[in-house]
Amino acid sequence: AAGVIQSPRHLIKEKRETATLKCYPIPRHDTVYWYQQGPGQDPQFLISFYEKMQSDKGSIPDRFSAQQFSDYHSELNMSSLELGDSALYFCASSFYPGQGYYNEQFFGPGTRLTVL
Amino acid sequence: TQLLEQSPQFLSIQEGENLTVYCNSSSVFSSLQWYRQEPGEGPVLLVTVVTGGEVKKLKRLTFQFGDARKDSSLHITAAQTGDTGLYLCAGAKVQGAQKLVFGQGTRLTINP
Repeated sequence: AAGVIQSPRHLIKEKRETATLKCYPIPRHDTVYWYQQGPGQDPQFLISFYEKMQSDKGSIPDRFSAQQFSDYHSELNMSSLELGDSALYFCASSFYPGQGYYNEQFFGPGTRLTVL
Repeated sequence: TQLLEQSPQFLSIQEGENLTVYCNSSSVFSSLQWYRQEPGEGPVLLVTVVTGGEVKKLKRLTFQFGDARKDSSLHITAAQTGDTGLYLCAGAKVQGAQKLVFGQGTRLTINP
């Protein structure tokens, strides 16, 4: 079965640079979520989108932005990168949980971002 | 403070033993998921429980949702070395909620 696809899998950037992470959800899933996981920590919710509209927002820095496109893929844009942004970034997808579906999210393999 | 508290955080047992991992909260959840995560990889969904008192079995793994939907447990029977990994519980507080809140995880090591 098709899974969530994330690219790139690994990314190395310098401080103050920008980065763009991409996520392709499971076919027919209309909702995407972004999470950040620091070393030894549990995933922390950043932001989610449904039908190209932001549907919920968590602890996402103002330096980060995201969007969902008409084909449901999503991109997380990160600017003015800081050392503390080094982490695993996961995208997850699901059917929209407000339409009778429980919030059963399927995660991608992640992008490991290293900021030097 | 962690909304979902998992215990134990670390567990190391011998192959063939049984174990239980707990996920507790003072809040009610509309659903709880259990994930397993390998180092550097994304969490893999094992099960979703949605009804208070619900029990689901996945081979040697048994998942239970508390009657009040505030807690859950994962029981593994006759653990195998392949069960080694990080187990995370995660929940949505209300149906329709977008974000999942995660427990801090239980790192399980099964020794041969």
